[in-house]
Amino acid sequence: AQKVTQAQTEISVVEKEDVTLDCVYETRDTTYYLFWYKQPPSGELVFLIRRNSFDEQNEISGRYSWNFQKSTSSFNFTITASQVVDSAVYFCALSESTSGGSYIPTFGRGTSLIVHP
Amino acid sequence: DVKVTQSSRYLVKRTGEKVFLECVQDMDHENMFWYRQDPGLGLRLIYFSYDVKMKEKGDIPEGYSVSREKKERFSLILESASTNQTSMYLCGVSGWNEQFFGPGTRLTVL
Repeated sequence: AQKVTQAQTEISVVEKEDVTLDCVYETRDTTYYLFWYKQPPSGELVFLIRRNSFDEQNEISGRYSWNFQKSTSSFNFTITASQVVDSAVYFCALSESTSGGSYIPTFGRGTSLIVHP
Repeated sequence: DVKVTQSSRYLVKRTGEKVFLECVQDMDHENMFWYRQDPGLGLRLIYFSYDVKMKEKGDIPEGYSVSREKKERFSLILESASTNQTSMYLCGVSGWNEQFFGPGTRLTVL
């Protein structure tokens, strides 16, 4: 079973629409971290947000917002008024502690967002 | 900001060649790791290291080895490259609550 599930493989929207990317995770740890990354066509992973397991506050950064709900093990990402430049692959990741105490991320398979003009 | 650099953005090698992919960080983070990324499969962990000379296998270590002789450098080695190792390779580093990635190396094995 996947530890991080991004059920939406591809989403296509028209500019100015709002879009939500879903992320569901699975862990037995009480301390863990969740991340969202954007990967444009250039290939580099661009960090968007980090959330630790003790902080369930939602966050808004400009047109981006994140909804973290431990009760449903979800960490969803919403883009408001989408723009063509938002077109990219978005990855959700979970970092749990390994037996050696390291935090190594496990990634979902990504959601490809296409924003049409 | 932590900077993670990878030795090449694009690499073309022939089947059977030994291939070295290098990753260097400019901070003092203990953890370094290598992923490969393939369409539809996301990022899969190959190996990680939590200290100099220490390494752990990830989810898909077959056909790969790693070396970490210095804290800032983590190398991925393909002992005998095969066409199914054609992929994007991403190196990353992490502290206990942050992680950073390099720009990636797109490797093609002919």
